Amino acid sequence: QSVLTQPPSVSGAPGQRVTISCTGSSSNIGAPYDVHWYQQLPGTAPKLLIYDNRNRPSGVPDRFSGSKSGTSASLAITGLQAGDEADYYCQSYDSSLSSWVFGGGTKLTVL
Amino acid sequence: QITLKESGPTLVKPTQTLTLTCTFSGFSLTTSGVGVAWLRQPPGKALEWLALIYWDDDRRFSPSLRSRLTITKDTSKNRVVLTMTNMDPVDTATYYCAHTRSVLGGTNWFGPWGQGTLVTVSS
Repeated sequence: QSVLTQPPSVSGAPGQRVTISCTGSSSNIGAPYDVHWYQQLPGTAPKLLIYDNRNRPSGVPDRFSGSKSGTSASLAITGLQAGDEADYYCQSYDSSLSSWVFGGGTKLTVL
Repeated sequence: QITLKESGPTLVKPTQTLTLTCTFSGFSLTTSGVGVAWLRQPPGKALEWLALIYWDDDRRFSPSLRSRLTITKDTSKNRVVLTMTNMDPVDTATYYCAHTRSVLGGTNWFGPWGQGTLVTVSS
């Protein structure tokens, strides 16, 4: 099982807002190590979506936002679009494992 | 613009050694703080970090795979090579390389990523 826990799936209608949670522990998110998020569109490589908990790389729409509190982090997507259908992964560092770790991924379906 | 591309065999037999090459452009592995990581994703499963090499030759490995991995760099050719010994069918995955930078506190992020290369382990 993944060190970081994400819901397997979330869904929402076009235009709606969805959130994806990422739960860790005191040796990773709560350490506190920063959380990053990736978007993986079907059949493509992952793409950095959010870094350092809440920062967007150039070119990422402000419809995507991140937050972190305690041992958890969240990714919020507003104004859902069909093109947002993808797998989303959170990532951090775990001091007990001395390893960069990922969540199990969340599949977003736009209804 | 940073780009990376993985290359290597698409099929390896159990017990064989896998050698993958990441060829990159748009950055130099002689620049302070810069690194290249290898990650993989079994079909339908989550991402997994494997190894990372920094500009100063500092190397990090996934604890669960440390004994099987080697990572080297050739800065003159802008290449990073990953070798994984004793391949098993459970190692079937898409293997990615990605640009990274060292971050105070250790929470590197990875990006951009290469397109990935699917490696199947089967006899």
